[in-house]
Amino acid sequence: DSGVTQTPKHLITATGQRVTLRCSPRSGDLSVYWYQQSLDQGLQFLIQYYNGEERAKGNILERFSAQQFPDLHSELNLSSLELGDSALYFCASSVGVGLATEQFFGPGTRLTVL
Amino acid sequence: GDSVTQMEGPVTLSEEAFLTINCTYTATGYPSLFWYVQYPGEGLQLLLKATKADDKGSNKGFEATYRKETTSFHLEKGSVQVSDSAVYFCALKTSYDKVIFGPGTSLSVIP
Repeated sequence: DSGVTQTPKHLITATGQRVTLRCSPRSGDLSVYWYQQSLDQGLQFLIQYYNGEERAKGNILERFSAQQFPDLHSELNLSSLELGDSALYFCASSVGVGLATEQFFGPGTRLTVL
Repeated sequence: GDSVTQMEGPVTLSEEAFLTINCTYTATGYPSLFWYVQYPGEGLQLLLKATKADDKGSNKGFEATYRKETTSFHLEKGSVQVSDSAVYFCALKTSYDKVIFGPGTSLSVIP
């Protein structure tokens, strides 16, 4: 158990819908990262927050947005869902930022778009 | 841009065989290098890391050496076990805090 929690574990929805994925980082971790894992794209970095502020952005679509709240939990919002958005979404956290900082991954949310 | 290339597998080995999973990278500056492991149905776990040239990371019998001259960070283990069956990801982290993962290598160890 990494100490990072993600809810829900599974999510099934229809095209065009909007969903929210939630992540609670390890106690004391200030940084949260979101990743998308799919068979064709592999593991893609989406976005990073540090202490409530966006710090780095990766291959995140405009239909997707995220935020980190004062209690440090984070939410990833996916809207106008398409079939291709079906994937595993991982959240990770770290105590700080820096080259050698270890990220701790949650168990993931499996999103299925029908 | 920055990228990581690794052998995609799947790799199938007998128990106690020697394991090598190749990883090479392209990056500006001096990245940190990582190996993560993903067991079935779980998230990724850090296996080992190295932060500068010639550093050797090691954990649970796995080793990898940061080779700047060949831009490589190959993962090795002298004797694999069935419990090592998982997907292994090579990754790099640049000064912008973005972690870039390779495509992953699936390893199956058979008794």
